Amino acid sequence: GENVEQHPSTLSVQEGDSAVIKCTYSDSASNYFPWYKQELGKRPQLIIDIRSNVGEKKDQRIAVTLNKTAKHFSLHITETQPEDSAVYFCAASKIQGAQKLVFGQGTRLTINP
Amino acid sequence: DARVTQTPRHKVTEMGQEVTMRCQPILGHNTVFWYRQTMMQGLELLAYFRNRAPLDDSGMPKDRFSAEMPDATLATLKIQPSEPRDSAVYFCASGLVVTGPNYGYTFGSGTRLTVV
Repeated sequence: GENVEQHPSTLSVQEGDSAVIKCTYSDSASNYFPWYKQELGKRPQLIIDIRSNVGEKKDQRIAVTLNKTAKHFSLHITETQPEDSAVYFCAASKIQGAQKLVFGQGTRLTINP
Repeated sequence: DARVTQTPRHKVTEMGQEVTMRCQPILGHNTVFWYRQTMMQGLELLAYFRNRAPLDDSGMPKDRFSAEMPDATLATLKIQPSEPRDSAVYFCASGLVVTGPNYGYTFGSGTRLTVV
């Protein structure tokens, strides 16, 4: 089955700097890769996703890149703000078939003022 | 704004007691997941349903856990008997899956279970 590895487990950056979180997946048939943000005590919320037919997707300060050959994808947050502090989870799934989400272990991002 | 509703939000119970958690998926969604979140294990998939049929429950300890979807508006996760190691936050998520692109899943607010 699918296995998703996420790094780093914790990340601390200065406000205004960029943050990058990386994930690798094992199943080459996976073709849908969402990212979820979970604030303390709250539910995970979808912030951006990418399908395997594109290499990059942007939404304001966040972007996701995908390298299908290497089976890895990354979340990039630019101009970080205190409200970006949270745990971020990557996940992998297939668009056809079972479509279950397999999550990475999460990255705790802290933005220092 | 459509929401996935989970009840109860918090549950404290004694070891050996039965626990039932409920989830009301977003109206029209045909896929429901149960995830368990602990500090050590992240988000573990326990079971999921498509059109109320169980697709995979391999992540669930079969001897004590059971998941059902008696109708399209209700999914349940039951633990009997509960143990302290079951203490975690249990999330339900729902989504609409058709033959084509996945439009993302929405999580409920979770049930925080403490077994003492």
